[in-house]
Amino acid sequence: ETGVTQSPTHLIKTRGQQVTLRCSSQSGHNTVSWYQQALGQGPQFIFQYYREEENGRGNFPPRFSGLQFPNYSSELNVNALELDDSALYLCASSQGQGAFDEQYFGPGTRLTVT
Amino acid sequence: AQKVTQAQTEISVVEKEDVTLDCVYETRDTTYYLFWYKQPPSGELVFLIRRNSFDEQNEISGRYSWNFQKSTSSFNFTITASQVVDSAVYFCALSEGSGGGADGLTFGKGTHLIIQP
Repeated sequence: ETGVTQSPTHLIKTRGQQVTLRCSSQSGHNTVSWYQQALGQGPQFIFQYYREEENGRGNFPPRFSGLQFPNYSSELNVNALELDDSALYLCASSQGQGAFDEQYFGPGTRLTVT
Repeated sequence: AQKVTQAQTEISVVEKEDVTLDCVYETRDTTYYLFWYKQPPSGELVFLIRRNSFDEQNEISGRYSWNFQKSTSSFNFTITASQVVDSAVYFCALSEGSGGGADGLTFGKGTHLIIQP
């Protein structure tokens, strides 16, 4: 059974640029969630996709957007990067429709905005 | 709004000591789920336990045990006979029922546990 994978591992971008982060869900999982974890903080929920549709969103601006593909892989896009966007971005997949289920997290993408 | 508080920022103990990590939560929902996750230095969150609001039974899994008390809105985690491999950041998290699970997990700020040999 393949776990959740994320790419790239690390990324450095300049303020104002756009970035795309990728996640491959665990086999058989149809729900993916994205979280932002600033240094020394707990993860914060960005949004959740279930069967290719966004069905939940946290307190993040519209410049954070996502996609889920038919094979249940997912992308997180962030436009107009700001310095505060520097964080570890975690992807999690689950079998059920929401955060009630055990979520399997990937290793994360460390984004640095300069 | 939901909230999870982990008041202990960092705990340091010597190997083989018992240690308890505290978690206090706030929610208006009667149906909710509580979780504990472990985050080693590699960064990947590892699931430890899930508990729903209707099940107040304490749980033991090897050296790990959890104490859920609705009366005090607490869900504490105890490691017995700690080992160096237990060193990590531990997060308590909450998922409310009213959102159908689509509102994601609300995490505490985490407790950094250091087990010294």
